[in-house]
Amino acid sequence: KAGVTQTPRYLIKTRGQQVTLSCSPISGHRSVSWYQQTPGQGLQFLFEYFSETQRNKGNFPGRFSGRQFSNSRSEMNVSTLELGDSALYLCASSGGLRTEQYFGPGTRLTVT
Amino acid sequence: AQSVSQHNHHVILSEAASLELGCNYSYGGTVNLFWYVQYPGQHLQLLLKYFSGDPLVKGIKGFEAEFIKSKFSFNLRKPSVQWSDTAEYFCAVTSVPHGSSNTGKLIFGQGTTLQVKP
Repeated sequence: KAGVTQTPRYLIKTRGQQVTLSCSPISGHRSVSWYQQTPGQGLQFLFEYFSETQRNKGNFPGRFSGRQFSNSRSEMNVSTLELGDSALYLCASSGGLRTEQYFGPGTRLTVT
Repeated sequence: AQSVSQHNHHVILSEAASLELGCNYSYGGTVNLFWYVQYPGQHLQLLLKYFSGDPLVKGIKGFEAEFIKSKFSFNLRKPSVQWSDTAEYFCAVTSVPHGSSNTGKLIFGQGTTLQVKP
């Protein structure tokens, strides 16, 4: 079974721009969660989607948003980028409401 | 608010030494517990998980962890480490609201970098 895939793998953007990251979960998985990983703050939960509905949201500003499509693929969007948004953005999928999460390789976002 | 604390930030061991990494969480209700590992240049991989039942769980590559509910702890152990165990280790928790399934929101500890010397 193919793992979680994320595109693009690397991205460089300028302050003020917006960015969209994509995640394809493991086949059959309906839950997708997003995390931000930075050296200073570690791994922080952004949001979770299940069957196209946002089920949980972390403590991030409204500039961070996401959505999930009917095929379970998910996108996250960050508008008005700030330097502090530079991070590794990880997507994870799980097969149900009581199962473990499997992580993708991440998208490395650099904001200049 | 829920939190996860990993006591050791950086551990250096020689091959064949025993390993124990501490993990404590703060949440009064039911939890699901996980240990993930991130090898250099690779993505996060699940080492082991606890949902219910036997509090001693075994994972991949000879790792095990014990859930002690009274101590809010989920420590990771391995009797004999290898050079290939060099990696960063993360403890994570999800809460399980009463009458529901887990929230899908993983709360991670700060991570422990393990360096194994050959």
